[in-house]
Amino acid sequence: DVKVTQSSRYLVKRTGEKVFLECVQDMDHENMFWYRQDPGLGLRLIYFSYDVKMKEKGDIPEGYSVSREKKERFSLILESASTNQTSMYLCASSLSLGDFYGYTFGSGTRLTVV
Amino acid sequence: GQQVMQIPQYQHVQEGEDFTTYCNSSTTLSNIQWYKQRPGGHPVFLIQLVKSGEVKKQKRLTFQFGEAKKNSSLHITATQTTDVGTYFCAGVPSGTYKYIFGTGTRLKVLA
Repeated sequence: DVKVTQSSRYLVKRTGEKVFLECVQDMDHENMFWYRQDPGLGLRLIYFSYDVKMKEKGDIPEGYSVSREKKERFSLILESASTNQTSMYLCASSLSLGDFYGYTFGSGTRLTVV
Repeated sequence: GQQVMQIPQYQHVQEGEDFTTYCNSSTTLSNIQWYKQRPGGHPVFLIQLVKSGEVKKQKRLTFQFGEAKKNSSLHITATQTTDVGTYFCAGVPSGTYKYIFGTGTRLKVLA
């Protein structure tokens, strides 16, 4: 089974801190994604990457950046955390864009910014 | 912008009753996927539909893709408590490659 592992399940950070969320997948998937999930808004795409060192903005990239130095690892960076970035963050991977087998999601990181 | 709306947002049913969630897109979709997220869990892929009018079944779950490829539905027959969770659709607007997730339908099954 494909496994997508997110480094932290829960995280509490202070406003203004730089925050790193890490995601690792173990099945050589080309594509990796970062979503945030908020009640009533569903899943919104922040950034995705279709290859090492390649990235593309999603629907809500403001206040975030990403890094993909290795194929298996995709990091989400909050440059200066703010309270409106309190959310559940989900990492996902897929073999190819439009993958017939769907996305495989990690367990999520619930980030609280105080 | 492109949107994928789901209705209803919430649904409470008695165990044994049927349940349907609907997914509507403002644009034509090249394909659509469905996911289930258990409470406290993460979305898990259920199925993908590609063809106009396609119907697929997984045990008590029936998935349908509309003829115009702008809507889809998930129907659960005789719900069980294990069906509890939020069901999301995710569609790829034609000519693009990014999935847009619906807002989800949260299902609660009362025993």
